[in-house]
Amino acid sequence: ILNVEQSPQSLHVQEGDSTNFTCSFPSSNFYALHWYRWETAKSPEALFVMTLNGDEKKKGRISATLNTKEGYSYLYIKGSQPEDSATYLCAPILTGGGNKLTFGTGTQLKVEL
Amino acid sequence: GAGVSQSPSNKVTEKGKDVELRCDPISGHTALYWYRQSLGQGLEFLIYFQGNSAPDKSGLPSDRFSAERTGGSVSTLTIQRTQQEDSAVYLCASSLDGTGSYNEQFFGPGTRLTVL
Repeated sequence: ILNVEQSPQSLHVQEGDSTNFTCSFPSSNFYALHWYRWETAKSPEALFVMTLNGDEKKKGRISATLNTKEGYSYLYIKGSQPEDSATYLCAPILTGGGNKLTFGTGTQLKVEL
Repeated sequence: GAGVSQSPSNKVTEKGKDVELRCDPISGHTALYWYRQSLGQGLEFLIYFQGNSAPDKSGLPSDRFSAERTGGSVSTLTIQRTQQEDSAVYLCASSLDGTGSYNEQFFGPGTRLTVL
């Protein structure tokens, strides 16, 4: 069983605050890491697919970094807006594990005015 | 273009009945995945189809669960003799090609199954 941990479990921030959360996964046999955003009543939406140690990806105010040697990824949101409120999920893929995503339980973000 | 669609959006059934959930992937996507989210739990992998290869069924929780994909397109997830613990949101996803693992998966809106 692939152990994927995300922290914090939930987070409440004010509009304009910057925030970050963590995804931890086994560092051995790493292949790729997916980040998804899941808004209430919508489908999960892919944010990033990361593969290389030291990778940094950015989409608007959201960015992510990857450390495959120590087995973690950070997701950052700069200047949070209410529309950023969602559950953020990470899912690593290990070599030999096929293409199925093993999701963490997510970080639930609530951005308040 | 059209995204992944699923039907029904909601299904309420009685314990012991069989249910079928349908997924229409994005046209041209060769990989199709089923996941579910039970109350208070994370997204759990169920089954994965890649082209004409034998599906990866390693996530199916019991032999009451089965899935097929006809003509490399539409997929049906069947749950026989439903139990209350089967209540969950069942999500389908597709990707252009599952072999690389770099391809993002596009999710459908899900089917919320409630077993009374």
